[in-house]
Amino acid sequence: QKEVEQNSGPLSVPEGAIASLNCTYSDRVSQSFFWYRQYSGKSPELIMSIYSNGDKEDGRFTAQLNKASQYVSLLIRDSQPSDSATYLCAVSLTKFNFGNEKLTFGTGTRLTIIP
Amino acid sequence: EAGVTQFPSHSVIEKGQTVTLRCDPISGHDNLYWYRRVMGKEIKFLLHFVKESKQDESGMPNNRFLAERTGGTYSTLKVQPAELEDSGVYFCASSSAGGGTDTQYFGPGTRLTVL
Repeated sequence: QKEVEQNSGPLSVPEGAIASLNCTYSDRVSQSFFWYRQYSGKSPELIMSIYSNGDKEDGRFTAQLNKASQYVSLLIRDSQPSDSATYLCAVSLTKFNFGNEKLTFGTGTRLTIIP
Repeated sequence: EAGVTQFPSHSVIEKGQTVTLRCDPISGHDNLYWYRRVMGKEIKFLLHFVKESKQDESGMPNNRFLAERTGGTYSTLKVQPAELEDSGVYFCASSSAGGGTDTQYFGPGTRLTVL
């Protein structure tokens, strides 16, 4: 079983619709959860972080975390063609403790927004 | 503020040769991470520096890989001798403080091809 699992896609969503990206993780003690966006040939860019159960909203993006189900998701509202990219889910074991801060990534979901 | 920079952007070498990758983190960032993405796989952690000290090198695949961060500024990752399976994209990331809650800013990566 992979430590962080994502559907590789591609996921195609019409412009203006909601894109829903999902991620599950295997290590129950994971504390910090991140969504990175990566355009082709570019560096991964952090778009959302979440540490507590529930929803966290930032503009058109909402991250959802359910630690009991070991599940984290990213919703993109009013999808735009510029949202077309690969979205990487990443998990860290630490929240407040120094050390062991490596990120464990999923393989990413390729999202295409259709105009 | 300049982002994380990596050099070279691409490197093509033959099996058995040596290659040195360089990463310049964001100025003032004590934490520096190396990651690698092999074709078709997820981004995987290699090691973590805090200033010039190796905090975690559990992801280093074998002793052909040597990472240094003299003076706590830029870092180098040397592969000697390179093998075919070392091909991939090597990412460097930096963050300003510990605790797993700080953003890791990624560089654009070095694409290494071993022939």
